[in-house]
Amino acid sequence: DAGITQSPRHKVTETGTPVTLRCHQTENHRYMYWYRQDPGHGLRLIHYSYGVKDTDKGEVSDGYSVSRSKTEDFLLTLESATSSQTSVYFCAISVSRQAPGGNYGYTFGSGTRLTVV
Amino acid sequence: GDSVTQMEGPVTLSEEAFLTINCTYTATGYPSLFWYVQYPGEGLQLLLKATKADDKGSNKGFEATYRKETTSFHLEKGSVQVSDSAVYFCASISGGSNYKLTFGKGTLLTVNP
Repeated sequence: DAGITQSPRHKVTETGTPVTLRCHQTENHRYMYWYRQDPGHGLRLIHYSYGVKDTDKGEVSDGYSVSRSKTEDFLLTLESATSSQTSVYFCAISVSRQAPGGNYGYTFGSGTRLTVV
Repeated sequence: GDSVTQMEGPVTLSEEAFLTINCTYTATGYPSLFWYVQYPGEGLQLLLKATKADDKGSNKGFEATYRKETTSFHLEKGSVQVSDSAVYFCASISGGSNYKLTFGKGTLLTVNP
């Protein structure tokens, strides 16, 4: 078990406020990812990281930023939350500790359900 | 980049029925293919995978065969149970997507007793 913990598990926030979601892993995996899940869209990649301070955008990155100052933590920030960002957010890590996925895919956290009112 | 198309749901079956969920992919090169399952209120779990053409992935009675000629990876189970009720996602990963996992939209399966 890769030991992925997402926090908080649930959050309700108001439009226009900043929100930070945390993903914590305990086994020194290099590659980490943030996805959002929405009905009719499946999972879409927001941002990913390939090492400390190394991050890049996914397909739905507008309105989101990320930071990775330590190997074990990957933070997702909604700079000014909007109702369209109401979603379930999943963190994932590449199963391979040093490689970006390939034959083994990802392990997912339990998700954070975010509601923006 | 990669793309994955899977059959629209929802799919409703009776217990012990045969299940097929279709999945096709578009990718540069030779992707690895996956099926993930999401039970209500939970995250995604890897169900099975295949990494090259003609490989068959299997787990918990589910199977899928990597068909390069039809670019497909259909999920099958011979006899579903109520406990199989979940959302199933097909996914691919390849160099063409910079080794980022690309998902289909998911198929909700409900199995009735």
